[in-house]
Amino acid sequence: EAGVTQFPSHSVIEKGQTVTLRCDPISGHDNLYWYRRVMGKEIKFLLHFVKESKQDESGMPNNRFLAERTGGTYSTLKVQPAELEDSGVYFCASSRTGDEQYFGPGTRLTVT
Amino acid sequence: GESVGLHLPTLSVQEGDNSIINCAYSNSASDYFIWYKQESGKGPQFIIDIRSNMDKRQGQRVTVLLNKTVKHLSLQIAATQPGDSAVYFCAVQSGNTPLVFGKGTRLSVIA
Repeated sequence: EAGVTQFPSHSVIEKGQTVTLRCDPISGHDNLYWYRRVMGKEIKFLLHFVKESKQDESGMPNNRFLAERTGGTYSTLKVQPAELEDSGVYFCASSRTGDEQYFGPGTRLTVT
Repeated sequence: GESVGLHLPTLSVQEGDNSIINCAYSNSASDYFIWYKQESGKGPQFIIDIRSNMDKRQGQRVTVLLNKTVKHLSLQIAATQPGDSAVYFCAVQSGNTPLVFGKGTRLSVIA
């Protein structure tokens, strides 16, 4: 069974640019989560999809972040326009039941 | 809201010794607790979990202990091996609320 995959693994962009991160969950997992770890801090929840619906987006920092999961399969997280404080590692996780979450390798975003 | 505290940011142990990594949480309504291992360049990997109706759960070489009275969670690794070197995170959940992570403990195994 393939694990959670994320693309790209690393992205370097300038402040003000747009970046789109992609997550492919494990096949059959209805639950998909986005998290972020800013340097030196803990992993923080961003949002949770159940199929294509946003179940909880209480962790989204502001309206520069937009997450979608059209069709209930893969998800994208777009940051527009990116700011310096958006730098960090963005993790995606998926779960069949909502309990055990399987994490992807993360996308390291660097905003300069 | 929930907060998850860290007792030690780093821990060094001799190969073959037992390791104990601790977490403290604040919300007495928390009912699901998970330990993750993160190796360099990888995402967090599930190790073991425990629900609030238990106080101990064992896996292969790992044991999680939950003390709800003092809101404390620990991960014990028996006979620590070099491959156990990683950052270990605890995560806590209450009902269907999002997971709240601790900052992580970096475990270094000395051969």
